[in-house]
Amino acid sequence: AQSVTQLGSHVSVSEGALVLLRCNYSSSVPPYLFWYVQYPNQGLQLLLKYTTGATLVKGINGFEAEFKKSETSFHLTKPSAHMSDAAEYFCAVISTSGTYKYIFGTGTRLKVLA
Amino acid sequence: KAGVTQTPRYLIKTRGQQVTLSCSPISGHRSVSWYQQTPGQGLQFLFEYFSETQRNKGNFPGRFSGRQFSNSRSEMNVSTLELGDSALYLCASSLKLAGPFSYNEQFFGPGTRLTVL
Repeated sequence: AQSVTQLGSHVSVSEGALVLLRCNYSSSVPPYLFWYVQYPNQGLQLLLKYTTGATLVKGINGFEAEFKKSETSFHLTKPSAHMSDAAEYFCAVISTSGTYKYIFGTGTRLKVLA
Repeated sequence: KAGVTQTPRYLIKTRGQQVTLSCSPISGHRSVSWYQQTPGQGLQFLFEYFSETQRNKGNFPGRFSGRQFSNSRSEMNVSTLELGDSALYLCASSLKLAGPFSYNEQFFGPGTRLTVL
């Protein structure tokens, strides 16, 4: 069965520093992978997705992620953090074992320090 | 185009009561999924409806149920509320179902925060 692991439930970075949020997945078949962001008191918003093709995926707000099959990883990065990036980030995969449903990681709360 | 709407946004209930939450998907979307979000467990999948039929179900007790209407609006019901049911309940809509060679992009509503006292 597919699963998603997000390393680090809380990450703090200084404004202007690199943001790196880690996501590892397990899947026996090429996965569909997603990163979502959740701001306080809001639902989830899609940042970017990997379906097929180019392994480096660019999303909104300057975020990007690279699909690395050999490492079963899909880490999210942003070169320079902004205060407005403070939010909770979720990595997700679509399960292909029997039923096709989203499986979410437990989330990483990003704090940006001034 | 209007996004996914959920009503009510906040709800306070007591143990043993039942509750009904509503979700209106984006116009044209036929799939509605429900999730429970808690600090300890993250997002847990409840169920998915497509064209008024439940297509997927998560590992929740039978107290949790849902339905979808012909206009794609969906409701979920929780009976005999327990303290542990306190959570943010999120609804997501998509145009289609995911399949072996296709994915479905989900669009989330703001959620209904349920507090059980």
